[in-house]
Amino acid sequence: DADVTQTPRNRITKTGKRIMLECSQTKGHDRMYWYRQDPGLGLRLIYYSFDVKDINKGEISDGYSVSRQAQAKFSLSLESAIPNQTALYFCATSDSRRGGGEQYFGPGTRLTVT
Amino acid sequence: GEDVEQSLFLSVREGDSSVINCTYTDSSSTYLYWYKQEPGAGLQLLTYIFSNMDMKQDQRLTVLLNKKDKHLSLRIADTQTGDSAIYFCAETAGNNRKLIWGLGTSLAVNP
Repeated sequence: DADVTQTPRNRITKTGKRIMLECSQTKGHDRMYWYRQDPGLGLRLIYYSFDVKDINKGEISDGYSVSRQAQAKFSLSLESAIPNQTALYFCATSDSRRGGGEQYFGPGTRLTVT
Repeated sequence: GEDVEQSLFLSVREGDSSVINCTYTDSSSTYLYWYKQEPGAGLQLLTYIFSNMDMKQDQRLTVLLNKKDKHLSLRIADTQTGDSAIYFCAETAGNNRKLIWGLGTSLAVNP
């Protein structure tokens, strides 16, 4: 089984809808991250969490919110989806004992907002 | 501010060596990383180098670090079609709290 899973893998939604992307991990890592990937723009950090009570905004948090329900679960919400949130979204985890750079990625969620 | 730059595309012939280059700005970076993203997949850590090293070799992969010029490179020997992917360079920043990513280099391997 995959160590970092994301659901759904693909989603098409309409402008204005609320949508939640979920991430679960079995690696026992304390840190979790949400990124979006757009062609030509690389990876951009949306939110990151260093433990259940420590959540931080990344470089592009506007229009998004997160919830760290447990050490193993980190969900990303789009409160009112808009077309420019169409992107590939990745969840990642890392172990603080090994620094912040060794990150383990989920397979991604392709989100389309029409 | 912190920035990581890399060329966007590289094309090589199967069996040749590939060299992917990266420059970074944060001289206080502790580690520098190379990640690989195959088509339709998430990123996977390929290798990393500690900032007090200048070279690291791992099978077909060689990482070279020039701290003076803030230049990092990834050499793939005997490049295979399975090496076709996007390769991301990244550095740690903010006291190891997060990564600063390059935009990725798309490597195409031609038979």
